[in-house]
Amino acid sequence: SAVISQKPSRDICQRGTSLTIQCQVDSQVTMMFWYRQQPGQSLTLIATANQGSEATYESGFVIDKFPISRPNLTFSTLTVSNMSPEDSSIYLCSVKTDGPYEQYFGPGTRLTVT
Amino acid sequence: GDSVTQMEGPVTLSEEAFLTINCTYTATGYPSLFWYVQYPGEGLQLLLKATKADDKGSNKGFEATYRKETTSFHLEKGSVQVSDSAVYFCALRRTDSSYKLIFGSGTRLLVRP
Repeated sequence: SAVISQKPSRDICQRGTSLTIQCQVDSQVTMMFWYRQQPGQSLTLIATANQGSEATYESGFVIDKFPISRPNLTFSTLTVSNMSPEDSSIYLCSVKTDGPYEQYFGPGTRLTVT
Repeated sequence: GDSVTQMEGPVTLSEEAFLTINCTYTATGYPSLFWYVQYPGEGLQLLLKATKADDKGSNKGFEATYRKETTSFHLEKGSVQVSDSAVYFCALRRTDSSYKLIFGSGTRLLVRP
């Protein structure tokens, strides 16, 4: 299994500012992902965080808005840039461990943009 | 593209009632199927999984069978408890090497004493 922590757990931010969310895993993992869960909605994959190279973004998400870093195999950050109220969501970090089907989620960061 | 469809919630049951949450999927190939649970204020937890046709995943009294002929993965529990109140997400993982999860819309379950 993997234990995942995220910081901050929640935040309230002003429109036009940026927030960086951290994801820390207690063991080295091959793959890390960032998901968004808008209020009352399901989860949508933002991007796959690649260690040592640029993240792979899903359709509808761009690097300028959601820059991602992954400096090593246990840590990643997601920045939500130039925020608007539509960015109010829960952002979740997810990791895939060495098992073929095991994927774990962090507790999430609840972001409110005013 | 690949997609997952879940029944609309909320589902409200009395304690010890039988639970079914319907889930159907559209996908190419043979995806792996999952049920995740999100308790209030918490992140997602893997509840159970099935990786090939006719597999039955089970955990904590919950079961789901991978039915390829009906492209379904319905979640069932014979006797729900108040502590089962949560949001349940059905998900598939594509058969490519991306390991991306595609989620259904989630079904909120409320169990009353």
